[in-house]
Amino acid sequence: QKEVEQNSGPLSVPEGAIASLNCTYSDRGSQSFFWYRQYSGKSPELIMSIYSNGDKEDGRFTAQLNKASQYVSLLIRDSQPSDSATYLCAVNINQNSGGSNYKLTFGKGTLLTVNP
Amino acid sequence: DAGVIQSPRHEVTEMGQEVTLRCKPISGHNSLFWYRQTMMRGLELLIYFNNNVPIDDSGMPEDRFSAKMPNASFSTLKIQPSEPRDSAVYFCASSSTEDQPQHFGDGTRLSIL
Repeated sequence: QKEVEQNSGPLSVPEGAIASLNCTYSDRGSQSFFWYRQYSGKSPELIMSIYSNGDKEDGRFTAQLNKASQYVSLLIRDSQPSDSATYLCAVNINQNSGGSNYKLTFGKGTLLTVNP
Repeated sequence: DAGVIQSPRHEVTEMGQEVTLRCKPISGHNSLFWYRQTMMRGLELLIYFNNNVPIDDSGMPEDRFSAKMPNASFSTLKIQPSEPRDSAVYFCASSSTEDQPQHFGDGTRLSIL
């Protein structure tokens, strides 16, 4: 069973602080990694994708990937109350080495609350 | 640009009735995915299509569930007969190719009484 694990939270940070969200995955064959943000009652919205080891920055968001440790994280700098949402880590795995059968497996999400 | 379009947004029906959910993917996207989200189980992949062909339906819970994609711009997910435990939010997502980021529709909130 290929799994993606996240701390369910809630993670509570004050406005302006750095929020750090973590995710581990079980399959070393994982090839691409995504972070989605989901507001209550809304659909998941893609905010970051990362494919190779290291850091990727986009505005206040930084995704970090360490394939050796099977670990991916999302940092949110200068957190705002509008960042309060559930953050879903998703890992894309090709399940068929002889062809293409990709499956995007989601963690259960971390609820982030940014307090004014 | 139009995103993934799902209908209906909400569906309330009685147990035993047939339910049909519809999805129009983003134009030009070749991969389409159906998910179900519940508090207990999170977001689960039910089935996905690549170029209108079903690739992996291992997530479909039972034979009561079926999905079709008759053309590149339309897909349906059908539940017949429906049961209260099918109550969930059903999302459709599409991507340019199956290994690229997926973009989600607004979902259908399904309640089976």
